[in-house]
Amino acid sequence: AQSVTQLDSHVSVSEGTPVLLRCNYSSSYSPSLFWYVQHPNKGLQLLLKYTSAATLVKGINGFEAEFKKSETSFHLTKPSAHMSDAAEYFCVVSPSGTYKYIFGTGTRLKVLA
Amino acid sequence: NAGVTQTPKFQVLKTGQSMTLQCAQDMNHEYMSWYRQDPGMGLRLIHYSVGAGITDQGEVPNGYNVSRSTTEDFPLRLLSAAPSQTSVYFCASSPRDKINGNTIYFGEGSWLTVV
Repeated sequence: AQSVTQLDSHVSVSEGTPVLLRCNYSSSYSPSLFWYVQHPNKGLQLLLKYTSAATLVKGINGFEAEFKKSETSFHLTKPSAHMSDAAEYFCVVSPSGTYKYIFGTGTRLKVLA
Repeated sequence: NAGVTQTPKFQVLKTGQSMTLQCAQDMNHEYMSWYRQDPGMGLRLIHYSVGAGITDQGEVPNGYNVSRSTTEDFPLRLLSAAPSQTSVYFCASSPRDKINGNTIYFGEGSWLTVV
């Protein structure tokens, strides 16, 4: 069975400090992995995706994520948080060859001035 | 540059009423789906479609109907609204092909309250 676990429901960081949002997955097949961001009262916007090319994936707004097969992880990072990064972040896995998208329960990022 | 368009954005219903949430995409995507988002539960799949004339149930289909008569449109019908259907609803689409990959694109959401 496929699943996604976002290890922290809330993360608080100070502006200018690094961001780490953790995601672990289980999948029977080589998956595609995504991170989406949702600002308040908005839809979900794609940050980045992994589709079996380079394991280090760069996304928009300075975010990046590293696919680690041995650890079944796809953690999202950013070197320096900005106030505008405050939002909810979702890790999503889509097993290869399927129409399934499995969502994590989300991590709410708070950025402190 | 419309992408996935949902209407209405906000709706208040009385228990027992029916309504339809509209969803349209202009990207010629095969795959379309409806999710509901509730606090602490992420997004849960209600129904999905892999092409015109084909629909299937997701994780939480009870109380909802869908149809897919065209590639572009995928309306979600609430048959008899219940307070438990108070939620934020997202329509999404994906190309699901080798060239464009399987990135899923979301509408802006529809906030539904059932009183």
